[in-house]
Amino acid sequence: EAGVTQSPTHLIKTRGQQATLRCSPISGHTSVYWYQQALGLGLQFLLWYDEGEERNRGNFPPRFSGRQFPNYSSELNVNALELEDSALYLCASSLGLAVSYNEQFFGPGTRLTVL
Amino acid sequence: EDKVVQSPLSLVVHEGDTVTLNCSYEVTNFRSLLWYKQEKKAPTFLFMLTSSGIEKKSGRLSSILDKKELSSILNITATQTGDSAIYLCAHMEYGNKLVFGAGTILRVKS
Repeated sequence: EAGVTQSPTHLIKTRGQQATLRCSPISGHTSVYWYQQALGLGLQFLLWYDEGEERNRGNFPPRFSGRQFPNYSSELNVNALELEDSALYLCASSLGLAVSYNEQFFGPGTRLTVL
Repeated sequence: EDKVVQSPLSLVVHEGDTVTLNCSYEVTNFRSLLWYKQEKKAPTFLFMLTSSGIEKKSGRLSSILDKKELSSILNITATQTGDSAIYLCAHMEYGNKLVFGAGTILRVKS
């Protein structure tokens, strides 16, 4: 069974640009989550999508946004990039809302570097 | 805000040793506690503990939830060099948000 996939593996941008990161969940999973792992800050929750809707959002500014497509894949967009956005962005997937306790399975991440 | 604290921050052991990693939590409403192993990038799921499932075991790894002490431990017996990794503990809040601890860096020397 294929795991969560993410693309690209690495992304280099300059300050002020926009970045788009992509994620495909495990087959059968309808929920997709985004986390940021910045150096020294640990894993921070960004967003949760299920069935195409944003279900929960972490404490990040509005320039972090995303969407989920009908095939349950997801995009994370980061606008007006700042140097401190440099981090590993991890996507996770799980079974959907109907299941009470859902393990989240992570993808390999996208390393975003902002110069 | 929910808080998860892991100890120790780092640990060096020799192959064959048994290790115990600790995780304590201060949360508004306990839902579930998850353990992950992170080697290079992707955290790999190990266990999920809930009020109805307080003990889990898989091979040399086991984990117990102590709801009274608001803590959990992860035990690894007969450690191998392949167990070297960062071990992450997380509380899953309502809203499916995982709140992670800082992690424990484990290094197993041969």
